[in-house]
Amino acid sequence: SAVISQKPSRDICQRGTSLTIQCQVDSQVTMMFWYRQQPGQSLTLIATANQGSEATYESGFVIDKFPISRPNLTFSTLTVSNMSPEDSSIYLCSVEAVQPPNYGYTFGSGTRLTVV
Amino acid sequence: GNSVTQMEGPVTLSEEAFLTINCTYTATGYPSLFWYVQYPGEGLQLLLKATKADDKGSNKGFEATYRKETTSFHLEKGSVQVSDSAVYFCALTYFGNEKLTFGTGTRLTIIP
Repeated sequence: SAVISQKPSRDICQRGTSLTIQCQVDSQVTMMFWYRQQPGQSLTLIATANQGSEATYESGFVIDKFPISRPNLTFSTLTVSNMSPEDSSIYLCSVEAVQPPNYGYTFGSGTRLTVV
Repeated sequence: GNSVTQMEGPVTLSEEAFLTINCTYTATGYPSLFWYVQYPGEGLQLLLKATKADDKGSNKGFEATYRKETTSFHLEKGSVQVSDSAVYFCALTYFGNEKLTFGTGTRLTIIP
């Protein structure tokens, strides 16, 4: 299955600033997914990123707050803009493995963000 | 819409105890079902999966059987170890739908 490198692994940021999280995959994938995991909570999908088109955002998430780039089939970035303490979460990228019998999803190790 | 309901935690067990973490789902048709594990300070790892009714997924001594009649996918392990301490997430998706729907997670702590 695909191997995902995500960075940074953690960061502490000042409110009002922005952080860009990078996700690199060792193989070409059609779709990449960005999730948020708030403290003590489950994962919530932020958006789906396709190469060559705008990302598709889930209800409650907007492009101005979470702009996403997908310049090629192995890379994507998520920016958390104008941060506030409520943005403190773990952010994870994920890709789908579509080759049977390994069908499933692989996740990066996550970016633990603390906004102060 | 689709949803996953997990047994509330936290769950604390002694080493070598039997583990069950309940998971039920609401969905139409035949979703694929997954268990993911998140060890302290790490991202999610796929633990096991089942893609059709009556399938049993297994890995690292953990098992879960896809029960269509009860819409369940309970996670079991016969003898837990301290190293199994983690948060466990049940999830579903449809092949081609791409989006995973997660349960709320169950924090498991194993004490020696």
